[in-house]
Amino acid sequence: NAGVTQTPKFRVLKTGQSMTLLCAQDMNHEYMYWYRQDPGMGLRLIHYSVGEGTTAKGEVPDGYNVSRLKKQNFLLGLESAAPSQTSVYFCASSLSMGGTDTQYFGPGTRLTVL
Amino acid sequence: GQSLEQPSEVTAVEGAIVQINCTYQTSGFYGLSWYQQHDGGAPTFLSYNALDGLEETGRFSSFLSRSDSYGYLLLQELQMKDSASYFCAVRDSNYQLIWGAGTKLIIKP
Repeated sequence: NAGVTQTPKFRVLKTGQSMTLLCAQDMNHEYMYWYRQDPGMGLRLIHYSVGEGTTAKGEVPDGYNVSRLKKQNFLLGLESAAPSQTSVYFCASSLSMGGTDTQYFGPGTRLTVL
Repeated sequence: GQSLEQPSEVTAVEGAIVQINCTYQTSGFYGLSWYQQHDGGAPTFLSYNALDGLEETGRFSSFLSRSDSYGYLLLQELQMKDSASYFCAVRDSNYQLIWGAGTKLIIKP
């Protein structure tokens, strides 16, 4: 099992450009998440999905959109990148959102917006 | 607002014991989790406490006091490979994980 994979691993964008980050998991998990992590800070939830075809806003959703067309994939889009979106983006998945359920993380995407 | 407070950095000696504290203030509480993250890596799950008391997993233990909104992670027999950042995270009333800013653990030989 590959677990959670993310593509790309690194990306540099110019202000105003758009891009899509892809997350894939092979654990048949229902729940998937997109987080961003800035230096010296914990993870902040951008959007999440409780199942195929459903998405919901997290703590910091502005400037991002997501889609979950297939259970195993969760896409994060930046329509018009801004320097404030320079960050490391982590995707995670879990069986559920409650109790002892563990979130499994991908390796991250390092995004720089110039 | 919601917040989790943990020390930004802790230093310890190889072979020693270290405790990383976490206090929280969240809307709802459905458990306290701890994750480890090595530099450049992804967070990995360490432990979870839903009820008061101590949970032990090998060299790592985690404690929770819900009345004090407080928990800690205890690492025993420290090894150099334990050098990493440790995050506490609380599952709030929306079942979302709210994360602390992380504690960087520096281990000296």
